Amino acid sequence: DVKVTQSSRYLVKRTGEKVFLECVQDMDHENMFWYRQDPGLGLRLIYFSYDVKMKEKGDIPEGYSVSREKKERFSLILESASTNQTSMYLCAGARGGLRETQYFGPGTRLLVL
Amino acid sequence: DQQVKQNSPSLSVQEGRISILNCDYTNSMFDYFLWYKKYPAEGPTFLISISSIKDKNEDGRFTVFLNKSAKHLSLHIVPSQPGDSAVYFCAAGVRNNDMRFGAGTRLTVKP
Repeated sequence: DVKVTQSSRYLVKRTGEKVFLECVQDMDHENMFWYRQDPGLGLRLIYFSYDVKMKEKGDIPEGYSVSREKKERFSLILESASTNQTSMYLCAGARGGLRETQYFGPGTRLLVL
Repeated sequence: DQQVKQNSPSLSVQEGRISILNCDYTNSMFDYFLWYKKYPAEGPTFLISISSIKDKNEDGRFTVFLNKSAKHLSLHIVPSQPGDSAVYFCAAGVRNNDMRFGAGTRLTVKP
């Protein structure tokens, strides 16, 4: 059974803090994605990675960075958290030839005060 | 600018009846379309897909219809069951590239 895990289900941070959201997949997938989900906006792609040490910007990369040092791990970094980054963050993985069919983690609900 | 739109934020249906969830897209280059289902406190899970060479794909109670000229797809669930109550996301894009997701439709199936 495929598994994508995220380090935290709920997180509360203060404005200006550096925040790390970790995602691990055990499916040996080349592709990994970070989305945020907001009411009325659906899932918006922040960053994705198609290989170790590779990263590409999605639709809303501003205020975020990512790190992919190992195939199974994809980290989302908020360098200086702001209140408008309060959201649900979803990580996903997908096989090399099937980037459209993604396996999602349970999500991290982040509140920035 | 949202390229994939689900204009109905919610839908309520009686158990046993048909549920129809709609999705519109703007990019005529999109050639692959998917539906994901999301329960509370879980990530979305893949439900069904269709490529642009087809206009219908069926999997058990779930059927996806694609109207390329109208840039519209729909998901039919027949018969609807209470366990189908969830948020349904439509996704569209170019095959083997990144998908764009709609805002989701919350389906409630009443017993």
